[in-house]
Amino acid sequence: DADVTQTPRNRITKTGKRIMLECSQTKGHDRMYWYRQDPGLGLQLIYYSFDVKDINKGEISDGYSVSRQAQAKFSLSLESAIPNQTALYFCATSDEQGVKLFFGEGSRLTVL
Amino acid sequence: GDSVTQMEGPVTLSEEAFLTINCTYTATGYPSLFWYVQYPGEGLQLLLKATKADDKGSNKGFEATYRKETTSFHLEKGSVQVSDSAVYFCALSQSGANNLFFGTGTRLTVIP
Repeated sequence: DADVTQTPRNRITKTGKRIMLECSQTKGHDRMYWYRQDPGLGLQLIYYSFDVKDINKGEISDGYSVSRQAQAKFSLSLESAIPNQTALYFCATSDEQGVKLFFGEGSRLTVL
Repeated sequence: GDSVTQMEGPVTLSEEAFLTINCTYTATGYPSLFWYVQYPGEGLQLLLKATKADDKGSNKGFEATYRKETTSFHLEKGSVQVSDSAVYFCALSQSGANNLFFGTGTRLTVIP
């Protein structure tokens, strides 16, 4: 089983719909991250959390929100999806050193 | 601010060819440097890292040397295989920082 699991892996939705992407991990790490990957732009950090009570905005948090339900779970929400949020989304975890990230397999979101 | 610039792809090589993917960085102080690899349909995985000047990271036949004088961390492999086909990301992280800064990725395709 994967250490970092994302659901759904693929989702097609319409403009204005609310979408939630879920992430769970079995690494026992406190630090969790949500990244967005667009062609030619690499990965951009959306939100990160260093423990259950800690939520921080990343580079591109507008239009997104997150919830850290437990140490092992970190979900990303798009309250009202728009087409330019079409991208591949990755969840990641790291230990307290933050040096090595462990990534999920990605969730491909298409907003029509 | 901190940033990473890597050579644009795609790069197409024949099996057993020599690979170089260039990466340069802009950062204050002494960041740690990384190469991550993303195989088709998967999340990113750490390939190698170097935490101080003149360190050489190596893994799976890949190498990269942290060159502070040229602010570079070029990825090399002497003889690529078809299984090396993937997207390669250079990244940096400052000590105690919350984030890795990723380059835009370089797609490598190795043909038999």
